[in-house]
Amino acid sequence: EIVLTQSPGTLSKSPGERATLSCRASQSVSSNYLAWYQKKLGQAPRLLIYGASSRPTDIPDRFSGSGSGTDFTLTVSRLEPEDFAVYYCQQYGRSPYNFGQGTQLE
Amino acid sequence: QVQLVQSGAEVKRPGSSVKVSCKASGVTLSSNTVSWVRQAPGQGLEWMGTLIPTLDTADYAQNFQGRLTIAADESTSTGYMELRSLRSEDTAVYFCVFNALEDFGLDVWGQGTTVTVSS
Repeated sequence: EIVLTQSPGTLSKSPGERATLSCRASQSVSSNYLAWYQKKLGQAPRLLIYGASSRPTDIPDRFSGSGSGTDFTLTVSRLEPEDFAVYYCQQYGRSPYNFGQGTQLE
Repeated sequence: QVQLVQSGAEVKRPGSSVKVSCKASGVTLSSNTVSWVRQAPGQGLEWMGTLIPTLDTADYAQNFQGRLTIAADESTSTGYMELRSLRSEDTAVYFCVFNALEDFGLDVWGQGTTVTVSS
């Protein structure tokens, strides 16, 4: 099974700054089927990025994803107050479709 | 309006079973996969399993093999998750999620159902 390791565990930033989150896979992710989610307390996860770099139409363009193979990155270009949350990556190329352990953006 | 509405909170005894439903509106089961994800208190997201209704095949995480069944009823547009032999570690919020077969980026999530396992 593919294990996803996210870093850092916690990232401290201020509004207006740029945030870069990392997700490393133990094996190559098939077809770069890598997704990023935002999770806030009491809410369902929100899909931000899929296919490593594609963004659903309702997601602001300050969120971007990049990478391929085993190394992936989520970038938030200019942090808004509502962006402070926990972020998870998930691979959906090969079962089991594991999540990473999360990065808290504070 | 596309939405998934899950059944209400449950309190269960260790060793018992729980069945959580996920009713869809504005979206059809046959054009989606149905997955369940959970989050235990203070923990991260955990993928439990995924069903492809059109193929009637399900994939389960190893942690749940033999204890978990994911099913769907096309006639009522409802997905189900049944977890058996409950233990305290199964206390969590359980989410259903639909992903379009043709486009993973088209997803919709349920609101979450809290399951508490306690003696």
